[in-house]
Amino acid sequence: SQQGEEDPQALSIQEGENATMNCSYKTSINNLQWYRQNSGRGLVHLILIRSNEREKHSGRLRVTLDTSKKSSSLLITASRAADTASYFCATVVTGTASKLTFGTGTRLQVTL
Amino acid sequence: DTGVSQDPRHKITKRGQNVTFRCDPISEHNRLYWYRQTLGQGPEFLTYFQNEAQLEKSRLLSDRFSAERPKGSFSTLEIQRTEQGDSAMYLCASRPPWGLAGVDTGELFFGEGSRLTVL
Repeated sequence: SQQGEEDPQALSIQEGENATMNCSYKTSINNLQWYRQNSGRGLVHLILIRSNEREKHSGRLRVTLDTSKKSSSLLITASRAADTASYFCATVVTGTASKLTFGTGTRLQVTL
Repeated sequence: DTGVSQDPRHKITKRGQNVTFRCDPISEHNRLYWYRQTLGQGPEFLTYFQNEAQLEKSRLLSDRFSAERPKGSFSTLEIQRTEQGDSAMYLCASRPPWGLAGVDTGELFFGEGSRLTVL
């Protein structure tokens, strides 16, 4: 079963705009990670935020985590056509040291 | 190439046949995971190995599915008597030893997947 759900399911923006994706999850977590997947390819890790962190940056990525609301957001600034992909949040549930549970994904389309 | 390698990348089979997928993780990674992903969905956890020990299996892994990692290096995932519902992308991922400072960042390293189509 899916632990998280992303919102929106699909997002279409123009190059240069910012893209925001949200993730909600159900149970207490150790950390939350975001992954990117190009069509038909494997997943690539983008960023990890631990349960005691509220915000993290990496290049054009900004991730926030609100454990009280069991939600996270991923912001991609100044988007590029190459950012077109599916984005998944994934959680490590407290007490399960190794298993990563993925959400349903947001499909991002960046047009020129 | 030092990434996670999966073989074959694509497999088309007829219903009822057996199929086997192989995963070669990054060499120093002792933890290995199998996931299944259907179109438009996120990856679903199937099973997890630490070295050669299979420590966790999902309810999704029916009796027709078996995974092994005999020497703690490569792993195989076998599906017996395939059904059309088994059509999916089968993803393998690996991770360095737990808590290894400076190495284990918590991320999984994924292969490119093995796409199965059951006719």
